[in-house]
Order: sequence, then C-alpha cells, then structure tokens
Amino acid sequence: NAGVMQNPRHLVRRRGQEARLRCSPMKGHSHVYWYRQLPEEGLKFMVYLQKENIIDESGMPKERFSAEFPKEGPSILRIQQVVRGDSAAYFCASSPSRGQLRVEKLFFGSGTQLSVL
Amino acid sequence: AQKITQTQPGMFVQEKEAVTLDCTYDTSDPSYGLFWYKQPSSGEMIFLIYQGSYDQQNATEGRYSLNFQKARKSANLVISASQLGDSAMYFCAMRGGGADGLTFGKGTHLIIQP
Repeated sequence: NAGVMQNPRHLVRRRGQEARLRCSPMKGHSHVYWYRQLPEEGLKFMVYLQKENIIDESGMPKERFSAEFPKEGPSILRIQQVVRGDSAAYFCASSPSRGQLRVEKLFFGSGTQLSVL
Repeated sequence: AQKITQTQPGMFVQEKEAVTLDCTYDTSDPSYGLFWYKQPSSGEMIFLIYQGSYDQQNATEGRYSLNFQKARKSANLVISASQLGDSAMYFCAMRGGGADGLTFGKGTHLIIQP
C-alpha cells in the first residue's frame, strides 16, 4: 500500500555538481509528473512521463534539466551543473492513467528538498 | 492559459469553527478538474478533494466540501469543525485545457487557534 516514494528527502549540492532525484510511483501507476516548488510559491509543472516516453516537457528549463522514466526502475529528474537558483522542493506525482478528460487525480510524494551551496 | 487565484495569503481561525478558503480559476476549456491539496509543515502534498467540471453535485470528503460555482468560476474549500491539525498551507489547483500538468495557486496559510 505504498504511496509515491521519493528519495532522497534532502539533497545538498555545491554549485556545479549534478543532482539526481528519484521517484517511484504508486503501484499500478504508469504516469509520472515532476513539479518544482520555490519558497512561498505553489507548485509549478515541469514534465510528464509515461514509461520510456516523455509526453509533455513544456515546464522544463531548456538547459541542464532532464527527466527519464525507464521501463524498469524509478523516474529520475537530473539537474546538471546546479546553481543556487535550483534550490527548491521537487515533487513527483503519479496517476494510473492520463484520464479521458485529463482530470485524473494525482497523488504526490513527500518531495526532495534540494539545497545548492 | 489557465490561472488559479487564491486571494487569502493567511487566515487565523478558532478551533471548531468552519473555514472557507477561496479559489477562483480561469480557463476557456469546458472540461477541467479542480483539486485541493494540503501541505503541512512537514512538506508533503496531501490530496483532499476533487471536483470535475461536469459534476452535478458539489464534492464532499469527510469534513471537506467544495463549494463549486461554475458560472462564477469559483471552487472554495469548506472545512467544517476545524481542528488544530488542520493548520497548514492549502493549495487550489486545476487541470484541463489540454495541459497535462496541474496549475496551482499561491496557497493560503491556515492557522487554527485553540
């Protein structure tokens, strides 16, 4: 009965290093979404993936950010050459399907707090 | 483009009182979903309640109900008989208009006082 699992819970990186954030969706869910939350802000959509496919990456920064959801294993959000502005909470959400009317409920993980020194 | 507006940055409410958190939305798509999430100080996002644009009745989940007024494009969250554990950030969000992601408001920080 596990929910969406994200790890690590907290991640500290120095400027220029790489950050890898992992997300395992709920059992039976094959759709994964990544969101970013800056301090005092709501969540902002980054990317939507199904197994082995990126469906919508309209919210992803053009450089240094990438995401994958392989056939086996968790979804990974990778940030290369991190900068202080990347410091934020990164949330993963999953759903069992896309939903006919795109109104499928999303269930979120507990987030990864990335701090860039 | 979709937009969610939450006009109350913070609210203080006495324990056991009912609370209404405001949310208005903007979309040109006739098919959409509206969501409320709770984010306690521990940081996780907890799903509370969902309302579909074609649903005839207002959604209810335990002490949570959604006052959906489609013509006014509002989707206020009502918490009955508030408890100390309700203190948290509350986010209104919507999904539709062909977008895959949720669009979130800036949130309301609710503090329940004993």
